[in-house]
Amino acid sequence: EVQLMQPAIEVKKPGESLRISCQVSGDTSTVNRIAWVRQMAGKGLEWMGVVNLRNSGTTYSPSFQGQVTVSADRSLMTAHLQWTSLKVADTAVYFCARQRQLTTVLYYMDVWGAGTTVIVSS
Amino acid sequence: SSELTQDPAVSVALGQTVRITCRGGSFERHHISWYQQKPRQAPVLVLYGKNNRPSGSPDRFSGSISGNTASLTITGAQAEDEGDYFCNSRDSSGDHLVFGGGTRLTVL
Repeated sequence: EVQLMQPAIEVKKPGESLRISCQVSGDTSTVNRIAWVRQMAGKGLEWMGVVNLRNSGTTYSPSFQGQVTVSADRSLMTAHLQWTSLKVADTAVYFCARQRQLTTVLYYMDVWGAGTTVIVSS
Repeated sequence: SSELTQDPAVSVALGQTVRITCRGGSFERHHISWYQQKPRQAPVLVLYGKNNRPSGSPDRFSGSISGNTASLTITGAQAEDEGDYFCNSRDSSGDHLVFGGGTRLTVL
């Protein structure tokens, strides 16, 4: 069984930087890719991007390209989501999830972290 | 705006059958997955591919695909099925994943 651990909450001011983590525990051999998903208050899910824990390769949604950085530390089995200059509009819940690829066309996210609430306020 | 379109809300009487649809994807080519989310909780995978249920997902959940429309059917809806349902598939470029806007299911 796989667990994904995220900090519960982060509170920052506009313009500050932030890096949130997603630590993988349990059967880590089954985790190759970690996806990040945003959910703004009262809104739907948005796939932001994915990082390969084995080779640190990344793919970003066009909506988030250049806005955030996803990265991985293979030795710690931890994925990161990073901002260099936060905006109030970045206030949201951010989930990490194990992204699996069953075939060349079938992707799904079957294990989720509890989510990190990021609050950006002056 | 999402490339995948879902009806904002659907309701079903307890024990009846309800279909939640997701339109706009190339689902024969880029398969779909479905997620249930309850208030203040992380999403949960309930179905992936044409009709695969992960361990723990009730067998009353099933899926189907017809052209650019995918459906999640709940046969004999239970009170615990209330929540938001999101579809997910690859976008038109094939390089990224995208979610539908979500459907809020109410069990009456």
